[in-house]
Amino acid sequence: GENVEQHPSTLSVQEGDSAVIKCTYSDSASNYFPWYKQELGKRPQLIIDIRSNVGEKKDQRIAVTLNKTAKHFSLHITETQPEDSAVYFCAASGNNRLAFGKGNQVVVIP
Amino acid sequence: DAGITQSPRHKVTETGTPVTLRCHQTENHRYMYWYRQDPGHGLRLIHYSYGVKDTDKGEVSDGYSVSRSKTEDFLLTLESATSSQTSVYFCAISEVGQGGSPLHFGNGTRLTVT
Repeated sequence: GENVEQHPSTLSVQEGDSAVIKCTYSDSASNYFPWYKQELGKRPQLIIDIRSNVGEKKDQRIAVTLNKTAKHFSLHITETQPEDSAVYFCAASGNNRLAFGKGNQVVVIP
Repeated sequence: DAGITQSPRHKVTETGTPVTLRCHQTENHRYMYWYRQDPGHGLRLIHYSYGVKDTDKGEVSDGYSVSRSKTEDFLLTLESATSSQTSVYFCAISEVGQGGSPLHFGNGTRLTVT
């Protein structure tokens, strides 16, 4: 089955700086890559997703890039704000099964 | 926000007792899921359903059973709770299967087995 790994496990950034989280996946057949944000004590919520026929997708301060050859995809957050502090989960789906990474803790320092 | 309600929100139970968690949706989505979340393990799929009375196992299904008698309700049962089942349990729904559309999560149930 699909195996998804996230790096780094914890990321601290100064407010206003950019944050990048990278995920690698194992199944070359995976074709759907969502990112979820989970604030402390809350439920995970989708923030952006990308499909394998697209290399990059942006939504305001958030972007995701996909490199199918290298089997990795990354979340980019620009101009970070305190409300970006959360755990971010990447996931990859192949053969109709979704596999989650273990999550990245992002801390935005005011 | 998607209409998903989990009950109870918190539960403390003793080892060996049966426990049932309920997920109720108002979105009429075909797919429903139960995940558990533990530190260091992220989100792990327990069971999922692709229609009324249609269910399948996830990666951590041992010790759990599910039932779906109506589109809107998906029940997770721990037949005999163990301390290793202390966790936060999330229900999720999606319009199509896991590879086709986003998951919408409920607010979670925090279960403590003493």
